[in-house]
Amino acid sequence: GNSVTQMEGPVTLSEEAFLTINCTYTATGYPSLFWYVQYPGEGLQLLLKATKADDKGSNKGFEATYRKETTSFHLEKGSVQVSDSAVYFCALRQGGSEKLVFGKGTKLTVNP
Amino acid sequence: SQTIHQWPATLVQPVGSPLSLECTVEGTSNPNLYWYRQAAGRGLQLLFYSVGIGQISSEVPQNLSASRPQDRQFILSSKKLLLSDSGFYLCAWTSGGRGSYEQYFGPGTRLTVT
Repeated sequence: GNSVTQMEGPVTLSEEAFLTINCTYTATGYPSLFWYVQYPGEGLQLLLKATKADDKGSNKGFEATYRKETTSFHLEKGSVQVSDSAVYFCALRQGGSEKLVFGKGTKLTVNP
Repeated sequence: SQTIHQWPATLVQPVGSPLSLECTVEGTSNPNLYWYRQAAGRGLQLLFYSVGIGQISSEVPQNLSASRPQDRQFILSSKKLLLSDSGFYLCAWTSGGRGSYEQYFGPGTRLTVT
């Protein structure tokens, strides 16, 4: 079946550090891929997405590239801020399915 | 623009009491609707989804149920709450038909069963 695997957290960084959160997936065909962010006490917000191989999603300084050959969609940011502290979820949607498959989430804490 | 509402925002209920959580979407028609639960420090668990009025798909057998009495209304219910029902409940919607199917989430309801 379809699945998403994210790196185990929590991740703690200092402000302005480089961020990578790994995400790999298992799916047939060409799923759409997403990163969601959840700030404390809130619902999830779509951060970025990619719908086909080699697409790069970007938003708020975050980027992720859809790599079909490595079945990966790693999230990166060059310089994190304290306000980026949140839980990040990687997700996929298999074509023809009504559902998203989520990873378990990675908690990021950025210290000043 | 589309918005999604959930209420109540927080709820404290005793074990064995009933539950009703409501979710409504504005600014769209015929959305797909979803209920998730997020236990403390854990990921998302899909509970139910609906592609139309009266159409409910259950993902996890448990003492919860869902109903969709109107196109943009999705209700999560229980006749008797368990301690294990505590968690953060999230409603989400997505547009039906073709597309990348990103889901949009409501603000959530924090349920504590005592």
